[in-house]
Amino acid sequence: AQSVTQLGSHVSVSEGALVLLRCNYSSSVPPYLFWYVQYPNQGLQLLLKYTTGATLVKGINGFEAEFKKSETSFHLTKPSAHMSDAAEYFCAVSDRGTNAGKSTFGDGTTLTVKP
Amino acid sequence: EPEVTQTPSHQVTQMGQEVILRCVPISNHLYFYWYRQILGQKVEFLVSFYNNEISEKSEIFDDQFSVERPDGSNFTLKIRSTKLEDSAMYFCASRGQGRNIQYFGAGTRLSVL
Repeated sequence: AQSVTQLGSHVSVSEGALVLLRCNYSSSVPPYLFWYVQYPNQGLQLLLKYTTGATLVKGINGFEAEFKKSETSFHLTKPSAHMSDAAEYFCAVSDRGTNAGKSTFGDGTTLTVKP
Repeated sequence: EPEVTQTPSHQVTQMGQEVILRCVPISNHLYFYWYRQILGQKVEFLVSFYNNEISEKSEIFDDQFSVERPDGSNFTLKIRSTKLEDSAMYFCASRGQGRNIQYFGAGTRLSVL
């Protein structure tokens, strides 16, 4: 069974500082990996995904993530935080090669950006 | 850009009542999903649906829940007799053939009183 661990339920950074949100997964084979952002009382917006190919993936809003198979990690980063980045961030995984394709989500990390 | 549409955005119901949450997936997608997010918690998988049948369901998806694709465009989640603990945000998602990217709707907030 797959699982996702997001280290740090709350992360606080200053505006302009580096954002680092951690995600580790457990899976028998490398899965597909996703980061979603959720603003208060809104739905899930896909930030970026890793399916195959280059292990450093770039997403929307200046975010990027690197798939590291040896560390079973998919940490999300952004060089310079903006106030509008304050939100809940979810890491998710789904199986490769299955038709069901359900996603398993981490517990989420709340990002606070201080002025 | 095509999107998954969910209605209503907020549903209030009395405990014990039946509710139907509606979703219109992206038109050429073949795989459909329901997820639940209790306030302040993570998103949890409920059920997946393909070729007019359930392909996988979680332990949350008990006999009180059912899904249906009644007319080839809508995808519904029915809760037969709602409980207080069913209060949550319910997300619908759909996926195309051969692509493992799910597109999520904006969600329906269900409040059971």
